[in-house]
Amino acid sequence: DTGVSQDPRHKITKRGQNVTFRCDPISEHNRLYWYRQTLGQGPEFLTYFQNEAQLEKSRLLSDRFSAERPKGSFSTLEIQRTEQGDSAMYLCASSLQGRDEQYFGPGTRLTVT
Amino acid sequence: LAKTTQPISMDSYEGQEVNITCSHNNIATNDYITWYQQFPSQGPRFIIQGYKTKVTNEVASLFIPADRKSSTLSLPRVSLSDTAVYYCLVLFSGGYNKLIFGAGTRLAVHP
Repeated sequence: DTGVSQDPRHKITKRGQNVTFRCDPISEHNRLYWYRQTLGQGPEFLTYFQNEAQLEKSRLLSDRFSAERPKGSFSTLEIQRTEQGDSAMYLCASSLQGRDEQYFGPGTRLTVT
Repeated sequence: LAKTTQPISMDSYEGQEVNITCSHNNIATNDYITWYQQFPSQGPRFIIQGYKTKVTNEVASLFIPADRKSSTLSLPRVSLSDTAVYYCLVLFSGGYNKLIFGAGTRLAVHP
């Protein structure tokens, strides 16, 4: 297994455009998390899936953000009508149910111009 | 969720032992202490986790006193490649392990 993968690694978009990121977790992991990280700060929790069910969304996740995990496998994070404040690194992590260690992907760096 | 406090930055030299202390005064009975490491432009990586006393793995040791209000991550004989940000987190064992990161400690290892 090659670990958690994310695509794309970098995305530059203009303000007002929609963007979608993909995360492929480690195959046997039931839990999937999205975090956002800005420069000089630690990652901030955005949302969590157990299998295909989205069990928590942070208040940081405005109505412009939506995440899905169809069939409990890969996940997508969509940002509609992007704003400059959305510029950040978006990190995905997965873990095995009943285990605490989270495995992070390399992240998608979003730049909104 | 318990809040953690750790130094903003530390400096060390190759071959030295580095100890990073984290305080978590309001840790709850069911909470665990966990540490992650992050290199620039990469996702965080799990280092070690413990509940009490001492835990050791192939890369680090974690010391937790009896009152559990603090913990110390010990990195033996650091190398330049240990230059990274280290995060101390308190993990509620009864939940689904949502990680709440602080600003972390920026460790710089010098030749």
